[in-house]
Amino acid sequence: ILNVEQSPQSLHVQEGDSTNFTCSFPSSNFYALHWYRWETAKSPEALFVMTLNGDEKKKGRISATLNTKEGYSYLYIKGSQPEDSATYLCALSNDYKLSFGAGTTVTVRA
Amino acid sequence: NAGVMQNPRHLVRRRGQEARLRCSPMKGHSHVYWYRQLPEEGLKFMVYLQKENIIDESGMPKERFSAEFPKEGPSILRIQQVVRGDSAAYFCASSPSGQAVTEAFFGQGTRLTVV
Repeated sequence: ILNVEQSPQSLHVQEGDSTNFTCSFPSSNFYALHWYRWETAKSPEALFVMTLNGDEKKKGRISATLNTKEGYSYLYIKGSQPEDSATYLCALSNDYKLSFGAGTTVTVRA
Repeated sequence: NAGVMQNPRHLVRRRGQEARLRCSPMKGHSHVYWYRQLPEEGLKFMVYLQKENIIDESGMPKERFSAEFPKEGPSILRIQQVVRGDSAAYFCASSPSGQAVTEAFFGQGTRLTVV
């Protein structure tokens, strides 16, 4: 089992503001780190897969970084919009199995 | 290209009944995974299947739970003699390979309520 912690559990952001939140792991004994975006009543949607220390990925206004030496990954949302409201899940994998964190729920206020 | 399809979306069963949850993977995907989300918990791995084979069922409860992925048709997660503690959201995912870096595509889940 790969331990994954996400913080904060939830956050509220004003529309237009940028925000970031953390996925932390006590051990870097994994092969890949995954970020998923999960809207209520929909499927979790894959955002990024990262494997290397220093990896940075970007998709539109959302980006992520990976620091395996210090044991964390950040997800950034630039200029938050109401459609960014969702739960963001972090997961680690060594093989086919994903070990998920509990998620950070982001609510963007108009 | 339809995504991962799960049905039913909601399922209500009385204690002692059987629950059958279906999952059709994305076209071209031969690797299927089932995850469970219990109330107030994150997604937990249950089982990994390829066509006609169970590869890893280490996350499955030892009794009453079974899974299959036949040569033809959807993957089925079967829960016999359901109890209240089985109430959860069950998610299926599929991928084109079983490697760690592969994106897994998830369905919308089946929410099982045992009354």
